[in-house]
Amino acid sequence: RKEVEQDPGPFNVPEGATVAFNCTYSNSASQSFFWYRQDCRKEPKLLMSVYSSGNEDGRFTAQLNRASQYISLLIRDSKLSDSATYLCVVNMNSGGYQKVTFGTGTKLQVIP
Amino acid sequence: ETGVTQSPTHLIKTRGQQVTLRCSSQSGHNTVSWYQQALGQGPQFIFQYYREEENGRGNFPPRFSGLQFPNYSSELNVNALELDDSALYLCASSSGAQLAGELFFGEGSRLTVL
Repeated sequence: RKEVEQDPGPFNVPEGATVAFNCTYSNSASQSFFWYRQDCRKEPKLLMSVYSSGNEDGRFTAQLNRASQYISLLIRDSKLSDSATYLCVVNMNSGGYQKVTFGTGTKLQVIP
Repeated sequence: ETGVTQSPTHLIKTRGQQVTLRCSSQSGHNTVSWYQQALGQGPQFIFQYYREEENGRGNFPPRFSGLQFPNYSSELNVNALELDDSALYLCASSSGAQLAGELFFGEGSRLTVL
Protein backbone atom coordinates (compact mmCIF):
# COMPACT_ATOMS: atom_id res chain seq x y z
CA ARG A 1 0.00 0.00 0.00
CA LYS A 2 1.28 3.45 -0.92
CA GLU A 3 2.01 5.78 1.99
CA VAL A 4 -0.13 8.53 0.48
CA GLU A 5 -2.77 7.73 -2.10
CA GLN A 6 -4.75 10.02 -4.35
CA ASP A 7 -7.07 9.44 -7.28
CA PRO A 8 -4.96 10.62 -10.25
CA GLY A 9 -8.02 11.82 -12.17
CA PRO A 10 -8.31 13.67 -14.42
CA PHE A 11 -11.38 15.37 -13.03
CA ASN A 12 -13.04 17.33 -15.85
CA VAL A 13 -15.60 19.75 -14.41
CA PRO A 14 -17.52 22.73 -15.82
CA GLU A 15 -16.90 26.23 -14.56
CA GLY A 16 -18.88 26.91 -11.41
CA ALA A 17 -18.96 23.30 -10.30
CA THR A 18 -17.95 22.02 -6.89
CA VAL A 19 -15.28 19.34 -6.87
CA ALA A 20 -13.80 17.30 -4.03
CA PHE A 21 -10.52 15.43 -3.79
CA ASN A 22 -9.60 12.85 -1.21
CA CYS A 23 -6.25 11.59 -0.05
CA THR A 24 -5.52 8.70 2.30
CA TYR A 25 -2.35 8.12 4.28
CA SER A 26 -1.10 4.92 5.82
CA ASN A 27 0.99 6.04 8.80
CA SER A 28 -1.08 7.03 11.81
CA ALA A 29 1.96 8.84 13.27
CA SER A 30 1.77 11.46 10.51
CA GLN A 31 1.71 14.92 11.99
CA SER A 32 1.20 17.66 9.47
CA PHE A 33 -0.81 17.80 6.29
CA PHE A 34 -0.94 20.10 3.31
CA TRP A 35 -2.41 20.60 -0.13
CA TYR A 36 -0.07 21.88 -2.83
CA ARG A 37 -0.95 22.97 -6.33
CA GLN A 38 1.30 22.30 -9.32
CA ASP A 39 0.72 23.90 -12.69
CA CYS A 40 2.00 22.17 -15.80
CA ARG A 41 5.82 22.26 -15.95
CA LYS A 42 5.99 24.45 -12.86
CA GLU A 43 7.08 23.89 -9.29
CA PRO A 44 4.55 22.99 -6.55
CA LYS A 45 3.14 25.83 -4.46
CA LEU A 46 1.35 25.66 -1.14
CA LEU A 47 -2.41 25.91 -1.46
CA MET A 48 -3.26 25.41 2.19
CA SER A 49 -2.32 23.60 5.36
CA VAL A 50 -4.86 21.15 6.76
CA TYR A 51 -5.93 21.24 10.38
CA SER A 52 -7.96 18.80 12.43
CA SER A 53 -10.67 21.39 12.94
CA GLY A 54 -10.94 21.95 9.19
CA ASN A 55 -10.04 25.20 7.53
CA GLU A 56 -11.32 27.37 4.76
CA ASP A 57 -9.67 29.87 2.45
CA GLY A 58 -12.15 31.52 0.14
CA ARG A 59 -13.52 28.87 -2.22
CA PHE A 60 -11.25 26.18 -0.79
CA THR A 61 -12.01 24.00 2.24
CA ALA A 62 -9.69 21.39 3.68
CA GLN A 63 -10.59 18.68 6.18
CA LEU A 64 -8.56 16.15 8.12
CA ASN A 65 -9.98 12.93 9.54
CA ARG A 66 -7.30 11.35 11.71
CA ALA A 67 -9.44 8.37 12.69
CA SER A 68 -9.93 7.35 9.06
CA GLN A 69 -6.56 8.71 7.95
CA TYR A 70 -7.71 10.84 5.10
CA ILE A 71 -7.67 14.47 4.11
CA SER A 72 -9.93 16.21 1.66
CA LEU A 73 -10.01 19.35 -0.44
CA LEU A 74 -13.24 20.95 -1.62
CA ILE A 75 -13.23 23.58 -4.33
CA ARG A 76 -16.44 25.53 -4.79
CA ASP A 77 -17.41 27.62 -7.82
CA SER A 78 -14.53 26.26 -9.95
CA LYS A 79 -12.67 28.73 -12.13
CA LEU A 80 -10.70 28.03 -15.30
CA SER A 81 -7.61 29.12 -13.37
CA ASP A 82 -8.11 26.26 -10.90
CA SER A 83 -6.96 23.82 -13.61
CA ALA A 84 -3.83 22.22 -12.18
CA THR A 85 -2.60 19.13 -10.36
CA TYR A 86 -3.39 19.04 -6.64
CA LEU A 87 -0.86 17.27 -4.45
CA CYS A 88 -1.58 15.91 -1.00
CA VAL A 89 1.43 16.14 1.35
CA VAL A 90 1.95 14.35 4.64
CA ASN A 91 4.82 14.91 7.05
CA MET A 92 5.99 12.58 9.77
CA ASN A 93 8.51 13.32 12.47
CA SER A 94 10.05 10.34 14.23
CA GLY A 95 12.67 11.17 16.84
CA GLY A 96 13.47 14.43 15.13
CA TYR A 97 13.86 12.73 11.75
CA GLN A 98 11.56 14.01 9.03
CA LYS A 99 9.84 12.20 6.24
CA VAL A 100 7.78 14.18 3.76
CA THR A 101 5.51 12.22 1.45
CA PHE A 102 3.69 13.60 -1.57
CA GLY A 103 0.79 11.86 -3.25
CA THR A 104 0.89 11.30 -7.00
CA GLY A 105 -1.45 14.24 -7.49
CA THR A 106 -4.98 14.67 -8.80
CA LYS A 107 -5.35 16.48 -12.09
CA LEU A 108 -8.21 18.96 -12.38
CA GLN A 109 -9.38 20.41 -15.67
CA VAL A 110 -12.06 23.10 -15.45
CA ILE A 111 -13.93 23.40 -18.72
CA PRO A 112 -15.64 26.59 -20.00
CA GLU B 1 9.34 34.21 -7.27
CA THR B 2 10.24 32.07 -4.26
CA GLY B 3 13.85 33.18 -3.98
CA VAL B 4 14.98 29.56 -4.30
CA THR B 5 17.35 29.07 -7.21
CA GLN B 6 18.59 25.82 -8.70
CA SER B 7 21.33 25.06 -11.17
CA PRO B 8 21.72 23.79 -13.74
CA THR B 9 18.20 23.97 -15.16
CA HIS B 10 18.79 21.15 -17.65
CA LEU B 11 21.52 18.59 -18.08
CA ILE B 12 22.22 15.38 -19.93
CA LYS B 13 24.43 12.62 -18.56
CA THR B 14 25.20 9.06 -19.51
CA ARG B 15 24.68 5.94 -17.45
CA GLY B 16 27.37 5.46 -14.80
CA GLN B 17 28.33 9.12 -14.60
CA GLN B 18 28.00 11.33 -11.54
CA VAL B 19 26.02 14.56 -11.22
CA THR B 20 25.91 17.47 -8.76
CA LEU B 21 22.87 19.71 -8.52
CA ARG B 22 22.86 22.95 -6.57
CA CYS B 23 20.28 24.93 -4.65
CA SER B 24 20.30 28.33 -2.98
CA SER B 25 17.67 28.63 -0.30
CA GLN B 26 15.44 31.59 0.37
CA SER B 27 16.91 34.24 2.65
CA GLY B 28 16.17 33.44 6.30
CA HIS B 29 15.55 29.74 5.69
CA ASN B 30 17.79 27.15 7.36
CA THR B 31 16.27 23.97 5.94
CA VAL B 32 16.58 22.49 2.47
CA SER B 33 14.87 19.39 1.17
CA TRP B 34 15.30 17.61 -2.17
CA TYR B 35 12.74 15.76 -4.26
CA GLN B 36 12.74 13.66 -7.42
CA GLN B 37 9.72 14.04 -9.68
CA ALA B 38 9.27 11.62 -12.55
CA LEU B 39 6.83 12.46 -15.33
CA GLY B 40 3.23 12.10 -14.19
CA GLN B 41 4.20 11.42 -10.59
CA GLY B 42 4.27 13.44 -7.39
CA PRO B 43 7.60 14.60 -5.95
CA GLN B 44 9.42 11.87 -4.04
CA PHE B 45 11.30 12.97 -0.91
CA ILE B 46 15.04 12.27 -1.16
CA PHE B 47 16.35 13.95 2.00
CA GLN B 48 16.28 17.06 4.14
CA TYR B 49 19.08 19.13 5.71
CA TYR B 50 18.63 21.35 8.72
CA ARG B 51 21.55 23.51 9.82
CA GLU B 52 24.04 21.40 7.83
CA GLU B 53 22.85 18.06 9.24
CA GLU B 54 20.68 15.51 7.44
CA ASN B 55 17.48 15.20 9.47
CA GLY B 56 15.26 13.31 7.11
CA ARG B 57 15.56 10.76 4.33
CA GLY B 58 13.20 9.00 1.95
CA ASN B 59 13.60 5.62 0.26
CA PHE B 60 16.60 6.43 -1.91
CA PRO B 61 19.84 4.42 -2.10
CA PRO B 62 23.13 5.75 -0.68
CA ARG B 63 24.33 6.80 -4.13
CA PHE B 64 22.04 9.80 -3.55
CA SER B 65 23.95 12.02 -1.15
CA GLY B 66 23.83 15.63 -0.14
CA LEU B 67 25.42 18.48 1.63
CA GLN B 68 24.31 21.73 3.20
CA PHE B 69 26.71 24.64 3.57
CA PRO B 70 26.96 27.26 6.36
CA ASN B 71 24.99 29.71 4.19
CA TYR B 72 22.27 27.00 3.97
CA SER B 73 22.68 26.41 0.26
CA SER B 74 22.77 22.76 -0.66
CA GLU B 75 24.01 20.17 -3.15
CA LEU B 76 22.53 16.90 -4.28
CA ASN B 77 25.01 14.36 -5.62
CA VAL B 78 24.01 11.25 -7.51
CA ASN B 79 26.64 8.63 -8.32
CA ALA B 80 26.55 5.77 -10.81
CA LEU B 81 23.63 7.27 -12.71
CA GLU B 82 20.93 4.92 -13.97
CA LEU B 83 18.38 5.49 -16.73
CA ASP B 84 15.60 5.66 -14.10
CA ASP B 85 17.30 8.66 -12.48
CA SER B 86 15.98 10.76 -15.36
CA ALA B 87 13.57 13.17 -13.68
CA LEU B 88 12.99 16.70 -12.45
CA TYR B 89 14.91 17.34 -9.24
CA LEU B 90 13.28 19.92 -7.00
CA CYS B 91 14.80 21.71 -4.08
CA ALA B 92 12.66 23.38 -1.42
CA SER B 93 13.60 25.68 1.42
CA SER B 94 11.78 26.21 4.69
CA SER B 95 12.40 27.21 8.28
CA GLY B 96 12.86 24.92 11.24
CA ALA B 97 13.68 21.28 11.71
CA GLN B 98 10.09 20.12 11.29
CA LEU B 99 7.81 20.72 8.37
CA ALA B 100 5.13 22.84 9.97
CA GLY B 101 4.84 25.50 7.33
CA GLU B 102 5.33 26.16 3.69
CA LEU B 103 7.93 24.61 1.41
CA PHE B 104 9.24 27.10 -1.13
CA PHE B 105 10.33 25.28 -4.27
CA GLY B 106 12.82 26.20 -6.91
CA GLU B 107 12.01 25.62 -10.57
CA GLY B 108 13.99 22.41 -10.64
CA SER B 109 16.84 20.79 -12.50
CA ARG B 110 15.78 18.46 -15.29
CA LEU B 111 18.18 15.53 -15.59
CA THR B 112 18.21 13.20 -18.57
CA VAL B 113 20.31 10.03 -18.34
CA LEU B 114 21.12 8.34 -21.64
